[in-house]
Amino acid sequence: GAVVSQHPSRVICKSGTSVKIECRSLDFQATTMFWYRQFPKQSLMLMATSNEGSKATYEQGVEKDKFLINHASLTLSTLTVTSAHPEDSSFYICSARGSHGGNEQFFGPGTRLTVL
Amino acid sequence: AQTVTQSQPEMSVQEAETVTLSCTYDTSESDYYLFWYKQPPSRQMILVIRQEAYKQQNATENRFSVNFQKAAKSFSLKISDSQLGDAAMYFCAYGGRRGGADGLTFGKGTHLIIQP
Repeated sequence: GAVVSQHPSRVICKSGTSVKIECRSLDFQATTMFWYRQFPKQSLMLMATSNEGSKATYEQGVEKDKFLINHASLTLSTLTVTSAHPEDSSFYICSARGSHGGNEQFFGPGTRLTVL
Repeated sequence: AQTVTQSQPEMSVQEAETVTLSCTYDTSESDYYLFWYKQPPSRQMILVIRQEAYKQQNATENRFSVNFQKAAKSFSLKISDSQLGDAAMYFCAYGGRRGGADGLTFGKGTHLIIQP
């Protein structure tokens, strides 16, 4: 149980285009989903927190107009990188927290974004 | 803001031996969670062990155990009988207890090498 999927697993796009990454909780309802970014050989940095049906909360320094987050249902959150540039290239990981408490987050397998 | 520090960028241990990974953190909260996550080359984050701050007893999961020193804000991970499959990046993470609404704060990670 507690499986989180991400799609796509990797994406290559041209500079200036927008890319959408989906995060789905497959066997539980996720009241809260989180988006992290991981640069090569570095740690995970929290980008934003999204709750179903409400606006996402962004961490300081994260451009909300560049990284659009939509948590449309209890099983789906999307991250759209708008007008992507090479510096947006990174590994993006989502996690989901169910309603069972305990602060445990279940992580997706990540999406590698390369912007040419 | 909370911070998590892992002072060992890399650790090496012989197979079947015991290794301890260090983690310290800083917080002004009295109630929180601490986690150790494993990230193998696949980049999938795997929960190794979790500790609730209000519990004095150290958490144990098979070969993995923690030494939680709340006053010292220390949370080390001990891996007994190390196996080749334990080789990975290990991240220490802090989670607040705001109803689980907080994302996790990660340390920079420790690269664990298992020598056969």
